[in-house]
Amino acid sequence: AQKITQTQPGMFVQEKEAVTLDCTYDTSDPSYGLFWYKQPSSGEMIFLIYQGSYDQQNATEGRYSLNFQKARKSANLVISASQLGDSAMYFCAMRVTGGGNKLTFGTGTQLKVEL
Amino acid sequence: GAVVSQHPSWVICKSGTSVKIECRSLDFQATTMFWYRQFPKQSLMLMATSNEGSKATYEQGVEKDKFLINHASLTLSTLTVTSAHPEDSSFYICSARFASSYNEQFFGPGTRLTVL
Repeated sequence: AQKITQTQPGMFVQEKEAVTLDCTYDTSDPSYGLFWYKQPSSGEMIFLIYQGSYDQQNATEGRYSLNFQKARKSANLVISASQLGDSAMYFCAMRVTGGGNKLTFGTGTQLKVEL
Repeated sequence: GAVVSQHPSWVICKSGTSVKIECRSLDFQATTMFWYRQFPKQSLMLMATSNEGSKATYEQGVEKDKFLINHASLTLSTLTVTSAHPEDSSFYICSARFASSYNEQFFGPGTRLTVL
């Protein structure tokens, strides 16, 4: 079985600062993918970034980067230069190759960006 | 591209009635659609996986007779909550993928169901 753990129920960050949202995972499948999604109060799920288990380099997408530490089974999301619009719920998710493309989500981290 | 819509965006119904939620892929053919349920301040929980033209695969603990899923075409899947009760009140989100979208599911905007 796959499991995603997000230990930070809520985080505060000041505008323009960087913030790291933690995510650890557990799977016995050697081939998997890790995702981060943003869910604002409106409810839609916005895809942010993806990291494959065999990717040699950490994924980056604009202000988002994924700190992938395979041995530690962690896939932390780093948001640089935080903006007020970054305030939202953030979910880490995992898909294993043998899992029928199903996503398993963590419990989420509520991020609040302050002035 | 890769837009998924849901209809309705919110619905209020009386206990005992049935509610149908539609999920459409607007600009691609969705080989697989997924239905999730999200209770307030909780994570998304997968309810079922639906492949076009075949029966949906339900997750453990999800009653297939209560949550009827139909994926009749490559652009439309429907979730019908039958005999809805207040405990079925939740945010229902669908997602879709096409054959070559290996890394990504595209999510709909969600449907908020309130059962009185």
